[in-house]
Amino acid sequence: DAGVTQSPTHLIKTRGQQVTLRCSPKSGHDTVSWYQQALGQGPQFIFQYYEEEERQRGNFPDRFSGHQFPNYSSELNVNALLLGDSALYLCASSLQFTGELFFGEGSRLTVL
Amino acid sequence: AQSVTQLDSQVPVFEEAPVELRCNYSSSVSVYLFWYVQYPNQGLQLLLKYLSGSTLVESINGFEAEFNKSQTSFHLRKPSVHISDTAEYFCAVSFSGYALNFGKGTSLLVTP
Repeated sequence: DAGVTQSPTHLIKTRGQQVTLRCSPKSGHDTVSWYQQALGQGPQFIFQYYEEEERQRGNFPDRFSGHQFPNYSSELNVNALLLGDSALYLCASSLQFTGELFFGEGSRLTVL
Repeated sequence: AQSVTQLDSQVPVFEEAPVELRCNYSSSVSVYLFWYVQYPNQGLQLLLKYLSGSTLVESINGFEAEFNKSQTSFHLRKPSVHISDTAEYFCAVSFSGYALNFGKGTSLLVTP
């Protein structure tokens, strides 16, 4: 049973560019959440998708957007990258209303 | 405001000694409580959870945590730690049943 998979694992971008990160949820899960983890910090909630719609959003600007596909996989898009966007981006999947999240290994984004 | 506080940023301990990692939260509503562990350059793994029922929950590798509603705490304990327990530990609280609010993490360093 495959767990949560994310791609790419590492990437480097320059300021102003755009990035797309991808996530496939654990088999049987229908909800995908995205978190940003800066170095030495706990993960911060970006948003959560269920039934292809954004269900809840954290305190992140509109430069951060996402999408969920009919097969429950998800993308995180970040536009106009800033140096401060450098972080580990974690995808987590769950069954709705359980609150229990299963995390992927993350995508480490470096913005130069 | 709803928040999660991990009272210790770093906890050094000798192998086979007991350890307690502290976690407090502020909320006026019912919550779900979690402890996650993160090994270097990896994603987060669920260690244990409290959703309802018995206030004492245990993991398969000897950790336990007790939900104390009156003190709004969910401290993590292990009676005898191993070198392999060295990792970052995150307390997380779900206030809404959707997003998880994470603490800033506690770095557990076990030495011989």
